[in-house]
Amino acid sequence: NAGVTQTPKFQVLKTGQSMTLQCAQDMNHNSMYWYRQDPGMGLRLIYYSASEGTTDKGEVPNGYNVSRLNKREFSLRLESAAPSQTSVYFCASSTGGVSYEQYFGPGTRLTVT
Amino acid sequence: QKEVEQDPGPLSVPEGAIVSLNCTYSNSAFQYFMWYRQYSRKGPELLMYTYSSGNKEDGRFTAQVDKSSKYISLFIRDSQPSDSATYLCAGVNTDKLIFGTGTRLQVFP
Repeated sequence: NAGVTQTPKFQVLKTGQSMTLQCAQDMNHNSMYWYRQDPGMGLRLIYYSASEGTTDKGEVPNGYNVSRLNKREFSLRLESAAPSQTSVYFCASSTGGVSYEQYFGPGTRLTVT
Repeated sequence: QKEVEQDPGPLSVPEGAIVSLNCTYSNSAFQYFMWYRQYSRKGPELLMYTYSSGNKEDGRFTAQVDKSSKYISLFIRDSQPSDSATYLCAGVNTDKLIFGTGTRLQVFP
């Protein structure tokens, strides 16, 4: 099992450009999450999907959109990137319900210039 | 005030030392507490979890929650250089994790 995979691993964008971060899991998990990690701020939840077909905002959703394409895949889109979105982005998944055991992907390092 | 507070460190200790990593929290609704370990340039991985009060031991690791003082601790016995990582505590509120900022631990030989 690959677990949680993310693409790309690294990306550099110019301000105003758009891009989609891809995430897939092969553990048949119901819930999926997108976080960003910044120095001094820890991990902050951007959006999550408790089950296929549903998405909800987390702590810092502004400037992002998500799509739960199917049970396996959960994508994060930046429509018009800003330097404040420079961060490391992590996707995670869990069985759902009691979500304490979240499995994280390796992360995407995004720089917006 | 952040719901989960954690000293960022770094904490530097010699091999074999007992390490104490600590968090405080403000949300009384947290049902569980988690400790994640994150190696440099990797995703976090679950280390341990505990319910809202009491201790849990797993090998060299012990997680402790003091609900009365809203204090969470992770103890590492006989620390090893391979324990060098960032340790993240988190509280679980319904279906979401609220993370602290993480404490960077360095164990030198």
